[in-house]
Amino acid sequence: DGGITQSPKYLFRKEGQNVTLSCEQNLNHDAMYWYRQDPGQGLRLIYYSQIVNDFQKGDIAEGYSVSREKKESFPLTVTSAQKNPTAFYLCASSPQDRPNTEAFFGQGTRLTVV
Amino acid sequence: GEDVEQSLFLSVREGDSSVINCTYTDSSSTYLYWYKQEPGAGLQLLTYIFSNMDMKQDQRLTVLLNKKDKHLSLRIADTQTGDSAIYFCAADRGSTLGRLYFGRGTQLTVWP
Repeated sequence: DGGITQSPKYLFRKEGQNVTLSCEQNLNHDAMYWYRQDPGQGLRLIYYSQIVNDFQKGDIAEGYSVSREKKESFPLTVTSAQKNPTAFYLCASSPQDRPNTEAFFGQGTRLTVV
Repeated sequence: GEDVEQSLFLSVREGDSSVINCTYTDSSSTYLYWYKQEPGAGLQLLTYIFSNMDMKQDQRLTVLLNKKDKHLSLRIADTQTGDSAIYFCAADRGSTLGRLYFGRGTQLTVWP
């Protein structure tokens, strides 16, 4: 079955530590995205990538980093510089980075800083 | 940037119709979307409408778009308890790029 997989589902991190969230897709999609969701809030775009070895900052990129070394994978690192990292993180992919292309979402990773 | 607004809560009885409303600010948005999120899960695309349309129907779902007022609504006919979820309105950024602005989501609760 094709799909987009995020792991782990739940993640706990101590303050001051970096942590990497995994996102893998086998849909052969070119574009991938990371969104952050806070309670009672809409999704906000962190980073996106239209093609391998290229990525762009979204609306709230500070304190995050990404890489896109393979088409299938778009890991997100939450660094210690992110002041309020506790949130639900959603990864998505779409065939191309253009309107009217359905973005498929993963099941999310809930990150809690302890 | 784009501002997408929607009411936070809606409660209906099973069998009734539900109407979820959304407003957006960017008149250059070309596609508007409705996503559904069940607890602890990712988002599922329900339907979308192109900005030159004013209505789209898909089984129990009807989307109405008033482009002049930048108002979008989602009507769910014969609402079922399985429709209980958070519904997000989203708008594209008015370019060739598919990144979206999302509203805060409307929590729909369906009572039996």
